[in-house]
Amino acid sequence: DIQMTQSPSSLSASVGDRVTITCQANQDITNNLNWYQQKPGKAPKLLIYDVSNLEKGVPSSFSASGAGTHFTFTISSLQPEDFATYYCQQYDSLPPTFGGGTKVEIK
Amino acid sequence: EVQLVESGGGLVKPGGSLRLSCAASGFTFSDAWMSWVRQAPGKGLEWVGRIKSKTGGGTTDYIAPVKGRFTISRDDSKNTLYLQMNSLKTEDTAVYFCTTIRYAIQAGGPFDYWGPGNLVTVSS
Repeated sequence: DIQMTQSPSSLSASVGDRVTITCQANQDITNNLNWYQQKPGKAPKLLIYDVSNLEKGVPSSFSASGAGTHFTFTISSLQPEDFATYYCQQYDSLPPTFGGGTKVEIK
Repeated sequence: EVQLVESGGGLVKPGGSLRLSCAASGFTFSDAWMSWVRQAPGKGLEWVGRIKSKTGGGTTDYIAPVKGRFTISRDDSKNTLYLQMNSLKTEDTAVYFCTTIRYAIQAGGPFDYWGPGNLVTVSS
C-alpha cells in the first residue's frame, strides 16, 4: 500500500495567517492526489482534486501543488471557518490511502 | 442535489453482524462507482472498499483487514448501497461514510460526495 505522510499533524494559527501543509508519498503517485477538509462531527469535503484543481465553490484562498511524491496545500489567508482537519489522499493505486491529517487550530 | 444517507449502524457484540445501507439520490446511481470510508473515534480516514457500476463490471475491492468479512453490494433499482459486516471486531468500531467516486478508473478517483456517516460500535 502507498503510505501518505502528512506534516505537521497539527498547527496553531491566527486569522489572516498563511498556512502550508505538506504530504509525501512513499512512491510516485503522479498527479493522483486530493485534499479534503473535515470539521468535527461532519463528513469530509473534497476541496482540491488532481493536485491543484479547486472544487466548485471552494474559495480561491485554497491552493495546492506538487507532483510525484511531494505535495503542498496552502491557505493564503486563514478564515474562522477554515479551522478544521485537512487530509491528503492518493488514488494512484489500490487501496486509496489518506494522510494522517493536519488539525488547524486557533492560536 | 446529490444526497447520500447511511443507516443501520449501532452497537453490536464482537463476532456479530451488521448491515449498513446508503440511500442515494440526485444522480444516476446505476452509473456510479461507490465506496465506503471509515473513521475510528479520534482517528483518521480509512478506505474500506468499493463497488464498480454494473456496466463497469460490478466488481468489488477491499482493504486487507476486512477482506472475507465485509461485503459491498448495490441495488440499482432502489438506489441503495450496502455494506454487510460479519465477524465484527472491536477495531471495526468507527463512523462509516458512503461516498461517490468521481472517476471510473482502476483505483477510483476523488471521493466527491459523502454521506453524513453512521456509527458502528463493536463492544461486549
